[in-house]
Amino acid sequence: NAGVTQTPKFQVLKTGQSMTLQCAQDMNHEYMSWYRQDPGMGLRLIHYSVGAGITDQGEVPNGYNVSRSTTEDFPLRLLSAAPSQTSVYFCASSRSGSDTQYFGPGTRLTVL
Amino acid sequence: QQQVKQSPQSLIVQKGGISIINCAYENTAFDYFPWYQQFPGKGPALLIAIRPDVSEKKEGRFTISFNKSAKQFSLHIMDSQPGDSATYFCAASMRGNTPLVFGKGTRLSVIA
Repeated sequence: NAGVTQTPKFQVLKTGQSMTLQCAQDMNHEYMSWYRQDPGMGLRLIHYSVGAGITDQGEVPNGYNVSRSTTEDFPLRLLSAAPSQTSVYFCASSRSGSDTQYFGPGTRLTVL
Repeated sequence: QQQVKQSPQSLIVQKGGISIINCAYENTAFDYFPWYQQFPGKGPALLIAIRPDVSEKKEGRFTISFNKSAKQFSLHIMDSQPGDSATYFCAASMRGNTPLVFGKGTRLSVIA
């Protein structure tokens, strides 16, 4: 199993550009989530999904969109990037009924 | 409103010493309290977790102490080693596939 994979590892955007951060897991986990990590702020939840077709907002959802068309994939879309979205983004997943969340390696995003 | 407060922000411990990191929570509906370990450039990885029906859980050199009445829990690392140098996050969630709420993290440095 590859576990939770994220692409790209690094990305530099200009203000106003759009992009999609990819997240995939091969563990057949129903629950997936996106966090951002900023210095001194811990990890903050952006969006999460309890299964295909179901998504919900977390603590800091503004500026981000998600969809969940398959169990395996949970992409995070930035429609119009802003410097405040410069951060490290982590995707996580867990199986139904389990509290243990497995994290991907992260995507480091810089918005100029 | 920060639901999980973590201290200290940083910690320096001599090799062989005991590292102690503390967390306090506010939401009494929280039912699951994990600690995650993160090395630079990597995603967080589950280290150890506890539920409120026990006051202590030990796995090797790592111990969680839990005080339900005080709404506090702590991580103790016995015989700390340089390889333990990492950032540690406490977190909390309600039972089942619910979002984790993270503390802001503690950067631990174990020096020889």
